[in-house]
Amino acid sequence: AQSVTQLDSHVSVSEGTPVLLRCNYSSSYSPSLFWYVQHPNKGLQLLLKYTSAATLVKGINGFEAEFKKSETSFHLTKPSAHMSDAAEYFCVVSDGASKIIFGSGTRLSIRP
Amino acid sequence: DTAVSQTPKYLVTQMGNDKSIKCEQNLGHDTMYWYKQDSKKFLKIMFSYNNKELIINETVPNRFSPKSPDKAHLNLHINSLELGDSAVYFCASSQTGLAGAGELFFGEGSRLTVL
Repeated sequence: AQSVTQLDSHVSVSEGTPVLLRCNYSSSYSPSLFWYVQHPNKGLQLLLKYTSAATLVKGINGFEAEFKKSETSFHLTKPSAHMSDAAEYFCVVSDGASKIIFGSGTRLSIRP
Repeated sequence: DTAVSQTPKYLVTQMGNDKSIKCEQNLGHDTMYWYKQDSKKFLKIMFSYNNKELIINETVPNRFSPKSPDKAHLNLHINSLELGDSAVYFCASSQTGLAGAGELFFGEGSRLTVL
């Protein structure tokens, strides 16, 4: 069985400081992992994906995530937050076929 | 060009009415989905179609009926609307066999408000 847990429902950082959004997963086999971003009143957009290639994955807008099998984690990071990063972020695990599990989301707020 | 488009974007209606939401994708994908997002942003899969065939049908009241006339369209019809149906409904598509079936392309959502 697969599951995904986003450890923080809300993260608030100051503009220009690092961002860390935490995600742990559980899977019986090698999963595919994704991060999606949802800006207010918009649909979800793929930020980055891990599909068993390089464990450090770079995405759009300066975000990256590292797959750590030993810790069953796929945390999302960005070195320097920008006001436009304020959004809801979803961690997703997939079995590569039809099963796609969304995390409960983390709301990222950016303080000026 | 909008890849996944949904209409209408906003829908306000009375309890007991019947309404439809339409979705079209121009990406050539063979799989389409309907998701429901509640007020706490939680996303729940409702249905999935692959080449016009239903492949995922989660525990959804049978008042909800999806229809896929072709692989580029997936519509959602809701009968006898209830207050609890108020939510944002997202259509999405993906290509089977892409590295990870979790690579979804979403529409902008249809916000349904039932009064």
